[in-house]
Order: sequence, then structure tokens, then C-alpha cells
Amino acid sequence: AAGVIQSPRHLIKEKRETATLKCYPIPRHDTVYWYQQGPGQDPQFLISFYEKMQSDKGSIPDRFSAQQFSDYHSELNMSSLELGDSALYFCASSLVAENTGELFFGEGSRLTVL
Amino acid sequence: RKEVEQDPGPFNVPEGATVAFNCTYSNSASQSFFWYRQDCRKEPKLLMSVYSSGNEDGRFTAQLNRASQYISLLIRDSKLSDSATYLCVVNPRFQKLVFGTGTRLLVSP
Repeated sequence: AAGVIQSPRHLIKEKRETATLKCYPIPRHDTVYWYQQGPGQDPQFLISFYEKMQSDKGSIPDRFSAQQFSDYHSELNMSSLELGDSALYFCASSLVAENTGELFFGEGSRLTVL
Repeated sequence: RKEVEQDPGPFNVPEGATVAFNCTYSNSASQSFFWYRQDCRKEPKLLMSVYSSGNEDGRFTAQLNRASQYISLLIRDSKLSDSATYLCVVNPRFQKLVFGTGTRLLVSP
């Protein structure tokens, strides 16, 4: 079965650079979530989209932006990168109609800021 | 105070032991509760949902106490493969899941 696809899997950037992470949800899923997990930390909710509209916002810095496109894939754009942005970024998707609350996570994109 | 709190552990137990984790949540309006499992450097995966009446899945039993706002996970007959971080997850409102810090379990031979 198709899973959530994230790219790139690994990314190395320098301070003040920009980075873009992509997420392709499971087909038919209408909701996408972005989470940031720092070393030894729990996943922190950044932002979510439902039917291409932002549905909730968490601890996403102003330097970050995200959107969901017509094909339901999502991109997380990060600018003016800081050392503290180094983390594993997970994308997850779900189908609201299933109402199980289960999120299906991608394998994550590991960002290292030098 | 964090919305969802867990003892980070680690819990070190021998194979075959029974181990229990608790989790407390602050938002009394929360509707759904879950336990996710996360292996090192991997994505979280749903272990089980937690229902008010309690539920069991093989060696795993989850309980919810709404009055005290805590959730528990009991693992019986621990296996080496149970070594992981167990994340308590709460759904305080539509389409938002809040993760606890996770409890690390190490099962040794």
C-alpha cells in the first residue's frame, strides 16, 4: 500500500540558507500535518492543512511557511535557517472521514544546519 | 505545563516482565487518545487507540481515566522487540494531535 512520501530524506544547509521539504500524502487522504522533532524531543506540531486550506497552526516559526497544493502534496519552506532548526521533520496524512484519529507518518526529512 | 506529560524513563525491564506507563493530559475537552510507538530515528506508528472502556490488543492493554485525565499502557510478557519509545497522543480538538515526550522502554535478555 502506498505510504506518505517525503523528500528529500536528508538535507544539509548552512545558516541563513533556505530549504524546502516536500510531502506526498497517501492517496485520498485530505489532511496533511507537519511535525518537527529535535534530538531527544517529542514531535512538535507545526501546521496542518485540510482540503488545501490551513486548518491549524502550532509552533511554526515566522521564518517557515507551508502550503498544500491542488494535488494534495504539501511543501514546508524554511528561510533564514538557524542551527536550532536541525531536526527530523515528519509529514503525516489522514482522511478526516475515517475519523479514527490515526495519522500515517512519512519516514521524515532530516535537516542539518551547519 | 505541557499539554501531555509522560515520564521519559528509560524503563529497563527484563524479557517477560510486565511494565506500565502513564500519561496525563491537561485539556479536559480532549476526545481521542492514542499510543504511538517510535523506534530510534524512525517515524511514529500507531500502536493502539484508547477507549473509555479500556481495550486490549494481545499483550497490550490501554486504559483511560477521564476523571483524573490520565491514560495508561500495560505491556505484558515484554519482548526484546518492544524496546522503543512510547508516545502518548491526545486529540484536544479537531485535526490536532498533541504528542507527549515519550517514554523510553528498554527490554533486556
